[in-house]
Amino acid sequence: QSLLTQPPSASGTPGQRVTISCSGSSSNIGNNYVYWYQQFPGTAPKLLIYSNNLRPPGVPDRFSGSKSGTSASLAISGLRSEDEADYYCAAWDDSLSGPLFGGGTKLTVL
Amino acid sequence: EVQLVESGGGLVQPGGSLRLSCEASGFIFSTYWMSWVRQAPGKGLEWVANIKEDGSEKYYVDSVKGRFTISRDNAKNSLYLQLNSLRAEDTAVYYCARDHGGPSPWFDPWGQGTLVTVSS
Repeated sequence: QSLLTQPPSASGTPGQRVTISCSGSSSNIGNNYVYWYQQFPGTAPKLLIYSNNLRPPGVPDRFSGSKSGTSASLAISGLRSEDEADYYCAAWDDSLSGPLFGGGTKLTVL
Repeated sequence: EVQLVESGGGLVQPGGSLRLSCEASGFIFSTYWMSWVRQAPGKGLEWVANIKEDGSEKYYVDSVKGRFTISRDNAKNSLYLQLNSLRAEDTAVYYCARDHGGPSPWFDPWGQGTLVTVSS
């Protein structure tokens, strides 16, 4: 059981806006930046969002991150079939003195 | 192009050992922290260990402390993970990743991963 809680699945239709939540505590999300990773089956994860809401070069602006208190969200607008993947949130945990990942959310584009 | 290529995975018996390698290119390896992150089959991601630019600081997740050792050779642009006393629960794809250092899970980019299977 991860200390960062994500819904195991999410879905949406093309063009729709979907959000994926990530719930933590004061020792992780509440006091540190949140990161998001995208992973397609059989491939390595890719950094999607860093420092709560910043996008690395090459990541479409359809992807956005936000944080409020001890929770964070990843929003994907204008959903496309190629967005179907697993998404992981991550944050540093002060109590563990190490990085934590959420359990991951499998996004299905219907 | 920044690239990380892992090798060294394979099938090993419980209690056995394995050494993973990660060769870096396309960036100044000696100026970055580096991490290992693993993913058990069908499961999520778990950070395993990281190492400072000069190798002077190393940190591990509790479950591998005393069994795994991270190291690096900056002259060879290479990162290593020595896995000893392996258990079935260590079965996973092991990824190396460039770590931006500091208290953050900022890993970018990642290698393609190497599979470690611990089984008799």
